[in-house]
Amino acid sequence: ELKVEQNPLFLSMQEGKNYTIYCNYSTTSDRLYWYRQDPGKSLESLFVLLSNGAVKQEGRLMASLDTKARLSTLHITAAVHDLSATYFCAVDMKAGGTSYGKLTFGQGTILTVHP
Amino acid sequence: NAGVMQNPRHLVRRRGQEARLRCSPMKGHSHVYWYRQLPEEGLKFMVYLQKENIIDESGMPKERFSAEFPKEGPSILRIQQVVRGDSAAYFCASSHRGWEHEQYFGPGTRLTVT
Repeated sequence: ELKVEQNPLFLSMQEGKNYTIYCNYSTTSDRLYWYRQDPGKSLESLFVLLSNGAVKQEGRLMASLDTKARLSTLHITAAVHDLSATYFCAVDMKAGGTSYGKLTFGQGTILTVHP
Repeated sequence: NAGVMQNPRHLVRRRGQEARLRCSPMKGHSHVYWYRQLPEEGLKFMVYLQKENIIDESGMPKERFSAEFPKEGPSILRIQQVVRGDSAAYFCASSHRGWEHEQYFGPGTRLTVT
């Protein structure tokens, strides 16, 4: 059974600081997603990482994927209050040689950015 | 281009009643996925459907839960004889093809069982 673990689960940051959220998963996967969720809202797709060594950046967020280590990171640079949200990583489960979009989510990291 | 639509957005049911949750995928999408999010937890996969077919229902509870995606109309997640533990947010996602394209999530239906 695929397991996806995020850490930390809670992250309190000061504005302007940098930090990294980690996402470990237990079995081979085709792709990894990062999502953002604001309270009471749906999931917003941030990044899709498709191959080993993939790195994507959008604004103050940068995501990377190391398939050999089964690890993805979401790095936050110079945090601002608007980044406060819950961040999820999700791994696409591979079954029978074909991945078909059955996402397994991490527990989520609740990020709070303080002035 | 309308996104994934779900209704109702909020649903209150008494224990023992039935809950019907609807999901209309994005235009052109023929793959639908249902996920459940319990309070303070991540999303858990429930079922994956294509038009008129259930592809994977490994995440569905064995009793009281069923899902369909008919040839015409929205996908429906049905929960019979609801219990308090069914209270959760239920999200639907759709994709263009099962494994080539990413999933787009709807706004969710928040079910409260009293």
